[in-house]
Amino acid sequence: ETGVTQTPRHLVMGMTNKKSLKCEQHLGHNAMYWYKQSAKKPLELMFVYNFKEQTENNSVPSRFSPECPNSSHLFLHLHTLQPEDSALYLCASSQDEPQGLNTEAFFGQGTRLTVV
Amino acid sequence: KNEVEQSPQNLTAQEGEFITINCSYSVGISALHWLQQHPGGGIVSLFMLSSGKKKHGRLIATINIQEKHSSLHITASHPRDSAVYICAVLSNSNYQLIWGAGTKLIIKP
Repeated sequence: ETGVTQTPRHLVMGMTNKKSLKCEQHLGHNAMYWYKQSAKKPLELMFVYNFKEQTENNSVPSRFSPECPNSSHLFLHLHTLQPEDSALYLCASSQDEPQGLNTEAFFGQGTRLTVV
Repeated sequence: KNEVEQSPQNLTAQEGEFITINCSYSVGISALHWLQQHPGGGIVSLFMLSSGKKKHGRLIATINIQEKHSSLHITASHPRDSAVYICAVLSNSNYQLIWGAGTKLIIKP
């Protein structure tokens, strides 16, 4: 248990569906991240929020829409996804930026997304 | 060529063997991380290094800044060590985190 909780753990959705991934941390961290992990590829950073403000958007398609209502919660809203978006989506948090690597980053268990 | 290269990509060993996983990088860094990802997907941070060597239980991580190389060692390996081990470096030029592709380790009983 890392203190970062993601729900759901598994999600199957059609290309016309709208769904949301949720990430929650009560570690008192200020920065939260969404990562995408495709099969046999390195982790890809998608979005960074620091103090609820989005500080980074790594050229992610608009069919992925993040929301950070407070420093403890992070959502990833999904709509009209493509089959190639099927991947493991990981949330992480850290005390501060950049990307938690001068402090430790804590990861959630991930949501395994399948787009059919 | 990836800026962070891990080797081997896959490693299968018998329980009790000494394991070494390597990470080479081509950028200037301020820190290097080793992380462990279990089959369910969750990632756990093992070590953060900027120089020298760290040890935690049966895990040892070393880094050679001049050679731009780090190794993760597992002593007396156990089937529960089976996981993907990921190396990630923090670039000291743009503070971007650069991830290796991971090494899949299987320890057979």
